[in-house]
Amino acid sequence: QVQLVESGGGVVQPGRSLRLSCAASGFTFSSYGMHWVRQAPGKGLEWVAVIWYDGSNKYYADSVKGRFTISRDNSKNTLYLQMNSLRAEDTAVYYCARARSGALRPQAFDIWGQGTMVTVSS
Amino acid sequence: DIQMTQSPSTLSASVGDRVTITCRASQSISSWLAWYQQKPGKAPKLLIYKASSLESGVPSRFSGSGSGTEFTLTISSLQPDDFATYYCQQYNSYWLTFGPGTKVDIK
Repeated sequence: QVQLVESGGGVVQPGRSLRLSCAASGFTFSSYGMHWVRQAPGKGLEWVAVIWYDGSNKYYADSVKGRFTISRDNSKNTLYLQMNSLRAEDTAVYYCARARSGALRPQAFDIWGQGTMVTVSS
Repeated sequence: DIQMTQSPSTLSASVGDRVTITCRASQSISSWLAWYQQKPGKAPKLLIYKASSLESGVPSRFSGSGSGTEFTLTISSLQPDDFATYYCQQYNSYWLTFGPGTKVDIK
């Protein structure tokens, strides 16, 4: 079935780095834009980044621009989020999500992973 | 960036009630609005896209309406499985933004 599974979360000290992965299955991964969305404990949803189906375009929220990098490997059906210079305010559950269609304009998110927790603490 | 607001922030209702949640955008987003349902410890679930289109598999008691800056999500007859937090999201352009959420709990 269509599925997204995140991994790579954990506890990390401020200023350090972490890389999240999102393994896709059950659909043609290379045809869809993919997003990262995060949710701090007890808070709402915050969009983090998007990458187009072919990796040709990427957009970031201002809160992570210059520190986080989204990428994908379509041969491995995997999405990544490289997080550098982590701060306490980056503590959150990180979800990967699929854009609802392959269209290049922004889309709603129809498939979500289960999330992976990132805790930034000394 | 486009700011999204939702009202109310919390809604207490009973099974069988008709429930309406309002979402407002700080500028026109045409019909580029989605609604999600989230239960504790779970990922959000897409209910409505393009303001009024029901996602496949979502019960027909959910409906969406609106365009421009004001939107509503309606649950025609609240069911026990519907107690959750609901978020609107604009996807008019990157940067995408979510509303702060509306928690629907049991009266």
